[in-house]
Amino acid sequence: GAGVSQTPSNKVTEKGKYVELRCDPISGHTALYWYRQSLGQGPEFLIYFQGTGAADDSGLPNDRFFAVRPEGSVSTLKIQRTERGDSAVYLCASSPRSDGIQYFGAGTRLSVL
Amino acid sequence: GENVEQHPSTLSVQEGDSAVIKCTYSDSASNYFPWYKQELGKGPQLIIDIRSNVGEKKDQRIAVTLNKTAKHFSLHITETQPEDSAVYFCAASSGYNFNKFYFGSGTKLNVKP
Repeated sequence: GAGVSQTPSNKVTEKGKYVELRCDPISGHTALYWYRQSLGQGPEFLIYFQGTGAADDSGLPNDRFFAVRPEGSVSTLKIQRTERGDSAVYLCASSPRSDGIQYFGAGTRLSVL
Repeated sequence: GENVEQHPSTLSVQEGDSAVIKCTYSDSASNYFPWYKQELGKGPQLIIDIRSNVGEKKDQRIAVTLNKTAKHFSLHITETQPEDSAVYFCAASSGYNFNKFYFGSGTKLNVKP
């Protein structure tokens, strides 16, 4: 399996809880992206990593959202004090270079009750 | 920022017919336009892309055309098959930040056998 892997595939949590979503990019891909997809909508950009650093985090909706990629491979999207409006599918994509094709994982469906 | 509009939102065609999906964008500096296919429960998969220095690109039954003056681009699928049924998304990258994709809202294509 050489594709982008996201875990868990589904996450149900209660309002106010903290969640972590994991992304394993394709081996060797230096660029990594997080998107959020609400029902019936296209993916919406959240953050882009080049290596270990967040090169563009302009899409993060507020300071409850944070993402890390400490070793330049696996990335974790962290959401604090979840709200019902955070319910969506969170997609991760990786690319072999900053201007390359983006390959998407299947996403994590987050449901905040 | 960039604004991508996509239509129609749903499209139903008979097997063997052609399907056309259209997108417009607002940022004249955008220079990369990928199309993604998303099947139920899966992440988006790139099917074709075009850069701004090209007016048309074709790959077997799929083609994309770009009109930079009018700021619109279209996906054309010929000889449609039931397995083409999915949601299709167009996207544009901002001119100076190549990797930040702005997606349209999607077109649900149904190919009737």
